[in-house]
Amino acid sequence: DAEITQSPRHKITETGRQVTLACHQTWNHNNMFWYRQDLGHGLRLIHYSYGVQDTNKGEVSDGYSVSRSNTEDLPLTLESAASSQTSVYFCASSESQRGGTQYFGPGTRLLVL
Amino acid sequence: GIQVEQSPPDLILQEGANSTLRCNFSDSVNNLQWFHQNPWGQLINLFYIPSGTKQNGRLSATTVATERYSLLYISSSQTTDSGVYFCAGTTGGGNKLTFGTGTQLKVEL
Repeated sequence: DAEITQSPRHKITETGRQVTLACHQTWNHNNMFWYRQDLGHGLRLIHYSYGVQDTNKGEVSDGYSVSRSNTEDLPLTLESAASSQTSVYFCASSESQRGGTQYFGPGTRLLVL
Repeated sequence: GIQVEQSPPDLILQEGANSTLRCNFSDSVNNLQWFHQNPWGQLINLFYIPSGTKQNGRLSATTVATERYSLLYISSSQTTDSGVYFCAGTTGGGNKLTFGTGTQLKVEL
């Protein structure tokens, strides 16, 4: 069955370190998204991609970057981790740029000390 | 960007009860979707419902796009329905979802 996976599932890091969260999907979807979930804010869009070599900023992109070198993967990098980036991070994918069901990965819990 | 308001924010039900969750949007919205986040944190897509009505077992959803709202009905609730229910939608083109802050549902025996 097609799926979307994230790794690691839990991560503890220190302020100032670079951290990369992996997202891999086997749906063969063109569209991939990164969201963060915080209490009181719901889910907010960080970055998204509509295809290979395409990346775009979302609502809360400062301090984050992504790259899309193939269809299956969209890694999220925190350039210099800050305590404000402690959160749960979700990756999602969908088939069509025009819309359609989004499927979510299991999430990564990140703690920045 | 659009504002997404969900009500009620919290809901406690006895097993077997029915409930209606509401989602209001501040502007016209496309690609409206409902999600359930279970107690383990997994987000499951329940419905993709830009307009009209859909049913899936004990759950059904209705979106009235012209009036900028959507409803999620849960009938004969079970303890496994507990969790947080989110609605989300997009404006303009693309598939970038804006989420509401959710309805926390607890179903008790």
